[in-house]
Amino acid sequence: EVHLLESGGKLMKPGGSLRLSCAASGFNFNIFAMSWVRQAPGKGLEWVSGISGSGTGTYYRDSVKGRFTISRDNNKNILYLQMNSLRVEDTAIYYCAKDPLEGGGADSWGQGTLVTVSS
Amino acid sequence: DIQMTQSPSSLSASVGDTVTITCRASQSISSYVNWYQQKPGKAPKLLISASSTLQNGVPSRFSGSGYGTDFTLTISSLQPEDFATYFCQQRYTAPESFGQGTKVDIK
Repeated sequence: EVHLLESGGKLMKPGGSLRLSCAASGFNFNIFAMSWVRQAPGKGLEWVSGISGSGTGTYYRDSVKGRFTISRDNNKNILYLQMNSLRVEDTAIYYCAKDPLEGGGADSWGQGTLVTVSS
Repeated sequence: DIQMTQSPSSLSASVGDTVTITCRASQSISSYVNWYQQKPGKAPKLLISASSTLQNGVPSRFSGSGYGTDFTLTISSLQPEDFATYFCQQRYTAPESFGQGTKVDIK
């Protein structure tokens, strides 16, 4: 059974840095692309970043480009999101999600970790 | 960026009703639309991929259709466990984007 467990969310001040982790189990982690999707309190879903199975391809939404870095450790089965220069508008629950091998939607999600950015 | 406009934003329905949620893309996206269900305090759950492919384990009362710019999610014979928020998503091109959601609650 696929299991994704995010951690690292906390209360941060604007301008701070934080690293989120997502521990994966139950599948062959290194062949699946992964994504981070966030949801501000009471709002909709927003894709943040994605990474290929090998880690060589990384993708970001414009609002986080240059501030966030996605990476993965395929030996430890962990997905990361390094978040720098945090802004109030980055406040959200951050979900990691597993992509399918060939197209389609994210077929497994973690329970999410809350990042709050406030002065 | 491609905008996904979902409607309605909310609806009230009774158990046994059929409900339809629509999603319109700002440009043609072939059939690269997925649908998710989210219950309060929970992660989204993938229901339908590629406009109409039901995920394993999802009840057959859920169905999806559409191509190009207009897509629909239909729930036939609404059940108590279906009261939730539903999101469409396009993965035709980066950045992928979601509709704003449709909350289905009990009439």
